[in-house]
Amino acid sequence: GAVVSQHPSRVICKSGTSVKIECRSLDFQATTMFWYRQFPKKSLMLMATSNEGSKATYEQGVEKDKFLINHASLTLSTLTVTSAHPEDSSFYICSARTGTRGTYEQYFGPGTRLTVT
Amino acid sequence: LAKTTQPISMDSYEGQEVNITCSHNNIATNDYITWYQQFPSQGPRFIIQGYKTKVTNEVASLFIPADRKSSTLSLPRVSLSDTAVYYCLVGEGRRGSGNTGKLIFGQGTTLQVKP
Repeated sequence: GAVVSQHPSRVICKSGTSVKIECRSLDFQATTMFWYRQFPKKSLMLMATSNEGSKATYEQGVEKDKFLINHASLTLSTLTVTSAHPEDSSFYICSARTGTRGTYEQYFGPGTRLTVT
Repeated sequence: LAKTTQPISMDSYEGQEVNITCSHNNIATNDYITWYQQFPSQGPRFIIQGYKTKVTNEVASLFIPADRKSSTLSLPRVSLSDTAVYYCLVGEGRRGSGNTGKLIFGQGTTLQVKP
């Protein structure tokens, strides 16, 4: 199956700093990528949809100025958590989609554990 | 996107068959049913997908009744390594992405396999 990677796998940062998380589709091109966050013992919550070459679409309640998403190529999307605070500590997961409507294939990355101190 | 309802948790013992049922009463004609597995601190992993009747692969079986308002994931002879959270999703497309392409996760079922 297709492989999606995330980097870093875990990161610790100080409150007030920014951190960037990369999501790459390694063996396929993804016109669309999705970003999720997951708190302990909770389900995945969709944050935003990232389309290559255009602005991301954020879900209701997600601050677009805080969670900057860039999808500059068909194999890379980045999520930047700006001015991070301890409440931003979470498990961030991306997924990459290929195919067309009716034949979508979506693959998940391994996740990035963010801890803000 | 059709909403799904699953049991929050289930317990089983090694070697037993486990059946997890998911309700999706307002499933649409074009919706597929997809199940994902997630281990702690890992991304979800695709298990199986179906539209109607029965689908079987090397990992699991998926039973879907004629009205498609529910589905049952069947895991044969579970082992300790099957302890995970299992998510049922419905949506259009081969991987349940829906018209918008989004995958919306419900609460999932935490399966605990005991020795």
